[in-house]
Amino acid sequence: DGGITQSPKYLFRKEGQNVTLSCEQNLNHDAMYWYRQDPGQGLRLIYYSQIVNDFQKGDIAEGYSVSREKKESFPLTVTSAQKNPTAFYLCASSPQTQAQETQYFGPGTRLLVL
Amino acid sequence: GENVEQHPSTLSVQEGDSAVIKCTYSDSASNYFPWYKQELGKRPQLIIDIRSNVGEKKDQRIAVTLNKTAKHFSLHITETQPEDSAVYFCAASKTDKLIFGTGTRLQVFP
Repeated sequence: DGGITQSPKYLFRKEGQNVTLSCEQNLNHDAMYWYRQDPGQGLRLIYYSQIVNDFQKGDIAEGYSVSREKKESFPLTVTSAQKNPTAFYLCASSPQTQAQETQYFGPGTRLLVL
Repeated sequence: GENVEQHPSTLSVQEGDSAVIKCTYSDSASNYFPWYKQELGKRPQLIIDIRSNVGEKKDQRIAVTLNKTAKHFSLHITETQPEDSAVYFCAASKTDKLIFGTGTRLQVFP
């Protein structure tokens, strides 16, 4: 677990502002994932990446963007188009590109709207 | 696409009793079923998983059973302890992504 980190722990967003959440892993994992967690709704997949310079939309990608320029980094940008961004955001990684391997989660970033 | 339903949403048990959480999935091609435990304010952590070629798996006080015909799988916790109190998530996968259930909040009372 200590090999995947997220920052910041708390993030405040103003109206119309884009904010970027950081996710870094030193586990040499190929696959990385971003989830959004709302009370009573479990974890919903935003974006995922199986290899550098490639990523796919998850179930709730609208209003979000990602990049995967390095294997160890997978930042998530919450754009102004995301009208209800308040949530707990979790990043995860797994050793292989198929999801039938354990996903290891970061500690999460809680995003709040001012 | 895959859909995972999880029940119950909350579960309260007395310390020492057993707890059972059930999940159903829609895609018969799903072949990997992990369970995660999330303590308050912390990250989810894998506690046990099962693949479609196995019907049951145990790890000390926890076990998972899989019924492929009925498309459901269950988490069993025996001799519950207060530190088992947390939210538990099931998930299902067939290829490159996990689909999670909505979670079960388990409370174990001393």
